[in-house]
Amino acid sequence: DAGVIQSPRHEVTEMGQEVTLRCKPISGHDYLFWYRQTMMRGLELLIYFNNNVPIDDSGMPEDRFSAKMPNASFSTLKIQPSEPRDSAVYFCAISTGLLGETQYFGPGTRLLVL
Amino acid sequence: AQSVTQPDIHITVSEGASLELRCNYSYGATPYLFWYVQSPGQGLQLLLKYFSGDTLVQGIKGFEAEFKRSQSSFNLRKPSVHWSDAAEYFCAVGERSYGKLTFGQGTILTVHP
Repeated sequence: DAGVIQSPRHEVTEMGQEVTLRCKPISGHDYLFWYRQTMMRGLELLIYFNNNVPIDDSGMPEDRFSAKMPNASFSTLKIQPSEPRDSAVYFCAISTGLLGETQYFGPGTRLLVL
Repeated sequence: AQSVTQPDIHITVSEGASLELRCNYSYGATPYLFWYVQSPGQGLQLLLKYFSGDTLVQGIKGFEAEFKRSQSSFNLRKPSVHWSDAAEYFCAVGERSYGKLTFGQGTILTVHP
């Protein structure tokens, strides 16, 4: 079964601080997705990777957000500097394909920026 | 651009009652369609998906959904709801040429004993 580990599960930080969210897929996949979930905007795709290469980052809200995938087993989403409006739950998801394949979601990181 | 509408933000049903969650999509061709469920504090889990063929799709946990092209709908149903079904449900559409998923706003299901 596909699985995803995300860390930390909860993060509280102050405005202006750098935040790094981590995602560790624990099984085979070709695609990795980062989503953000808020009450106002629902679930939004931020960026996705195919074989560790960023393919579509059109959902990244601004230059303060960046994502990397240095290898197939690890990805980071960084916010620098963080702002209160970045408070949300951030999900990492993986799949073995793009067209119609099931995406397997991690448990999410709940971020609160004060 | 594709879009998904879940008209019901919150639905309350009694345990044992039937359930139907509505989903309408906007897309120029036949899309891929998905229903995901999210329990509190958890990530999303796939319930079922439609690609082609039989328009009635069976999923896990006793759920099913029916694709109706004429109505641009993909409603989720369950004949008898269990208390453990209380969660938030998301409908999603994926483009056949691209595959990126667009999610609806979600429907929160509350189950009364």
